[in-house]
Amino acid sequence: AQSVTQPDIHITVSEGASLELRCNYSYGATPYLFWYVQSPGQGLQLLLKYFSGDTLVQGIKGFEAEFKRSQSSFNLRKPSVHWSDAAEYFCAVALNNAGNMLTFGGGTRLMVKP
Amino acid sequence: EPEVTQTPSHQVTQMGQEVILRCVPISNHLYFYWYRQILGQKVEFLVSFYNNEISEKSEIFDDQFSVERPDGSNFTLKIRSTKLEDSAMYFCASSGGLPNNEQFFGPGTRLTVL
Repeated sequence: AQSVTQPDIHITVSEGASLELRCNYSYGATPYLFWYVQSPGQGLQLLLKYFSGDTLVQGIKGFEAEFKRSQSSFNLRKPSVHWSDAAEYFCAVALNNAGNMLTFGGGTRLMVKP
Repeated sequence: EPEVTQTPSHQVTQMGQEVILRCVPISNHLYFYWYRQILGQKVEFLVSFYNNEISEKSEIFDDQFSVERPDGSNFTLKIRSTKLEDSAMYFCASSGGLPNNEQFFGPGTRLTVL
């Protein structure tokens, strides 16, 4: 069975600092990879996704993620964090792109210091 | 911008009672999903629905759960006899199908079973 691990439960960064959120997956083949963000009281919003091709993908709100097959990782990065980025971030995988279920990691709560 | 909506935002019920959680997916979407998130835990897949039938379900989705698309716009999750452990945030999602099968999530319904 596939699984997703987000090793960091909480991360605090200063506004303007760079950010990297870690995600590792366990699956026999390359799954479809996603990052979602959840602000308090809101649903899950897709930041970016990887299906194939270029392993560095760009998303919304200035986020990017890099797929590394050798490390089974899909880490999320942002060069300069804004206070509005404080939220919970979820990495997720799917087996295919045809209505398959998402398997989520446990989430990383990001706090931003002024 | 089209969005997934869910009602109610919060439902409180007594153990053993039936509850129906309602979702209106994005109108031209073909795939529909329910997920849940118990407080402090991962977002977990419950069920996916396509072409008027369940396409995939998890172990959580036992005989107490059912889904229905009664009228071509609503997508409902019914829990027949609620248990304390059903208390969670329930998220509905929908996706449009290939090639870009992004799942769009609603804001969730918080179910509290007393």
